[in-house]
Formats: sequence, structure tokens, C-alpha cells
Amino acid sequence: DVVMTQSPLPLPVTLGQPASISCRSSQSLVHTDGNTYLSWFHQRPGQSPRRLIYEVSKRDSGVPDRFSGSGSGTDFTLKISRVEAEDVGVYYCMQGTHWPLFTFGQGTKLEIK
Amino acid sequence: QVHLVESGGGVVQPGTSLRLSCAASGFIFSNYAMHWVRQAPGRGLEWVAIISYDGSEKYCADTVKGRFTVSRDNGKNTLYLQMTGLRLEDTAVYYCATDGASWGQGTLVTVSS
Repeated sequence: DVVMTQSPLPLPVTLGQPASISCRSSQSLVHTDGNTYLSWFHQRPGQSPRRLIYEVSKRDSGVPDRFSGSGSGTDFTLKISRVEAEDVGVYYCMQGTHWPLFTFGQGTKLEIK
Repeated sequence: QVHLVESGGGVVQPGTSLRLSCAASGFIFSNYAMHWVRQAPGRGLEWVAIISYDGSEKYCADTVKGRFTVSRDNGKNTLYLQMTGLRLEDTAVYYCATDGASWGQGTLVTVSS
């Protein structure tokens, strides 16, 4: 099974400062079709998860452009250019390449310093 | 607008069964594979099951394989999760989701003696 490892797990950030979350997979996430099915989700306390990024770097509709995804193979990164108060919560990466078994990372909790 | 509404959660004893439902609207349900994802109290997201758009392919995570069955009724735009042999560790909020872009609000399943 593919294991997804995120770091850091707690992420204290000052408002207006950048933030970065790493996600590493135990196997390459490059699919035989050439795409890489790595997504990022954000979950605020008491709410359902919301997808921010799919296929490594494609932003979902309505997601602010301060969020960006990058990476390839087994190493991926979610970056927030300037953290805002509404960005608090837990961020998860998820792989969908090794269908039909999908895997989430442990989650990174972003909090404001 | 995509709308997913889970139902069927509740408090049950270990070893018993429960069926969750997810009513879908706002999109062509029969065109999409669907997922179940769960989240134990205070824990991260865990992928549970996937079913293909036509129901011909179904897969579950190893933690629930042999106990949980995913199904769908495209005529009723509804996704199901039949859970049997419930264990204390199955206690969680259960979400249905499309390809990750849309999630329901979740339904809480509590397994307790």
C-alpha cells in the first residue's frame, strides 16, 4: 500500500507570512496515463473537507491564488503565499494514482501564532 | 450545484449492522465514481470505499474489507454503505464524496456497548 507522509504536522504561522507543507509518497504517483493524481484538501474545525488542488497543481474553482501546489514523482508541496486567518485548520494530501486504493496523509494542522 | 446528503448514522452496539445512504443532486450521478471516507473523533481522514460510475467495480480499504459493502442506485441518485460486524474502532463521521471535489456534511456512526 502507498503511504503518504506529511510534514510538518503542527504548523504555526504568522498572519501574512508564507507557509509550506510537504507530502511524500512511498511510491511514485505517476500514473500509467501520464498524470499524477495528488490532491490537497483543507478542513476547518467542524466542517467537511474541501479540495483545494488536484493533479498536483490545478486549483479548484474558487480557491484563492495564494494557494499553489507543486512537485513530482514522490515529493509534493502545498504553499500558501500569505496566510490569512481563514486558512487555519488541517491540510491533507491524498493520492489517487494507485486506484482503487486511495490514501490520505496524516494531516498538517495550521494555526496562527 | 452539487449536493450530497448522508444519512443513516446513529449509536449501535458492537457486532451489529447499519446502512448509510448518500443522496446526490445537482450533477449527473450516474457519470461519477463515488467514495466513502471516514474520520474518527479527533483523527485524520481515512478512505473507506469506492464504487465505479455504473457499480460494476467496488473496492474497500483493508480495515473494512469483508465487513462493509458499497453500492449505488443510479435510478435513485443514491450511494450506500452497508456496514456489518461493526467494531468500536468504526466510530467515525462518514462522508460521501465525488472525485474529491464535492463532499457531504457527514453522518456520525458511534459503536458503543
